[in-house]
Amino acid sequence: GAGVSQSPSNKVTEKGKDVELRCDPISGHTALYWYRQSLGQGLEFLIYFQGNSAPDKSGLPSDRFSAERTGGSVSTLTIQRTQQEDSAVYLCASSPFQATDTQYFGPGTRLTVL
Amino acid sequence: KQEVTQIPAALSVPEGENLVLNCSFTDSAIYNLQWFRQDPGKGLTSLLLIQSSQREQTSGRLNASLDKSSGRSTLYIAASQPGDSATYLCAVTHGFQKLVFGTGTRLLVSP
Repeated sequence: GAGVSQSPSNKVTEKGKDVELRCDPISGHTALYWYRQSLGQGLEFLIYFQGNSAPDKSGLPSDRFSAERTGGSVSTLTIQRTQQEDSAVYLCASSPFQATDTQYFGPGTRLTVL
Repeated sequence: KQEVTQIPAALSVPEGENLVLNCSFTDSAIYNLQWFRQDPGKGLTSLLLIQSSQREQTSGRLNASLDKSSGRSTLYIAASQPGDSATYLCAVTHGFQKLVFGTGTRLLVSP
């Protein structure tokens, strides 16, 4: 079946612009996660959704970052007023229920802020 | 705060060698541990998941062990092949929801 998909695959934007990153999880997966992978920082957790609720937003680095999930499926990560330090690969993952299950990752969105 | 460390950071071996990648974590209160591989420019592929109550998992040429009390895991790759070249990441499920990732081991298997 189809895996986790993310769009766009690459995004180049100017500093100060807003961007939206999209994640389509595996059908039927109730848990969805956003991670960020940047040079020198490794892979870090951003936010976790169970259904449409986000019980853990502890990894969002600032209030410029927000995410939502609708219909228990698609999720959008929004970064407002982008900064150069936001440049990274943003990865989305889903799992059937919770983090004790295997997490399946999408290919990521590479964001470059000029 | 959970911290995950992987040793070595990079490893280069000739084809056919058996090898061991190491992962350590500071907080033993984990639910599971996963090993992933990441190919350049691509997402993560889950290789093995070990629940906290398990000691090891095997898949083909891969064997992962977990010693929760000492905060260690190893990934054993038998008869390495050039196609095994990738970055290998271990991650622990901490706080019930999120994965905390290690720093990764970059593996190169030469023909």
